[in-house]
Amino acid sequence: DAKTTQPPSMDCAEGRAANLPCNHSTISGNEYVYWYRQIHSQGPQYIIHGLKNNETNEMASLIITEDRKSSTLILPHATLRDTAVYYCIVRVPNFGNEKLTFGTGTRLTIIP
Amino acid sequence: DTGVSQDPRHKITKRGQNVTFRCDPISEHNRLYWYRQTLGQGPEFLTYFQNEAQLEKSRLLSDRFSAERPKGSFSTLEIQRTEQGDSAMYLCASSSAANEKLFFGSGTQLSVL
Repeated sequence: DAKTTQPPSMDCAEGRAANLPCNHSTISGNEYVYWYRQIHSQGPQYIIHGLKNNETNEMASLIITEDRKSSTLILPHATLRDTAVYYCIVRVPNFGNEKLTFGTGTRLTIIP
Repeated sequence: DTGVSQDPRHKITKRGQNVTFRCDPISEHNRLYWYRQTLGQGPEFLTYFQNEAQLEKSRLLSDRFSAERPKGSFSTLEIQRTEQGDSAMYLCASSSAANEKLFFGSGTQLSVL
C-alpha cells in the first residue's frame, strides 16, 4: 500500500469548513483513498473513500486531484465533536481482507 | 446494528501475568481484526479472521500472543507472560463481504505494571 503524508496537527474554528490535506505521490492506479477518524478513547470510524472522482456523503467530502497524488478531506461545518485524529490511508480494496495500514494522522482541534 | 463490543474496557495487570480480551463483532460480519495502538501512534494490524479461520498474522504477534474465534462469532486475544511493552490499546474491528468498511470497537486499554 502506498505511503501517505499528513500534517501532524491543525486547528479550525467551529462552524467553518475544515480542510485536511493528504499527500500520496506514489499511489498506484488501482489504489483507493480512505479516510478514518478517531475520537479520543474510541476506535477509528470510517468517513469516506474514493478512487479518482470527488465523493460526498453525510459526513464529509473527498476531493482527489486529477493526478491523484494528493487529496483533501472537507468537513463543511466543523463542530466541537469533530475534534479527532484523522487518518488518510491508500490501499487496494480486497474484498477478502480489509486490513488497513494507519499512519500517525492529523490531530484536528475545533476551536469554539 | 449494536456495534462491535469489547470487554473489558480497561485491564491492569502485573508483569508476567496472563490476560484475555474478548471481542463481539457486529452479528452478520464474518471478518474480524485485531489491532494494537500505542500512545501517539496509529493502530497497527495484529491478525485477521474470516469466520473461524485465522488467515493472517502480523510479525508483531509474538508467540506470547494467541487469538481465537472458535465458532466464527466472538473472538478472544490472550497475552501470556505480559511485559511492560505490551501496554497499549487493543482494538477489534469487523467487516462483511457486502461492505469493505471496518467497524471498530472502543478497545481494551491494557496497563502492565
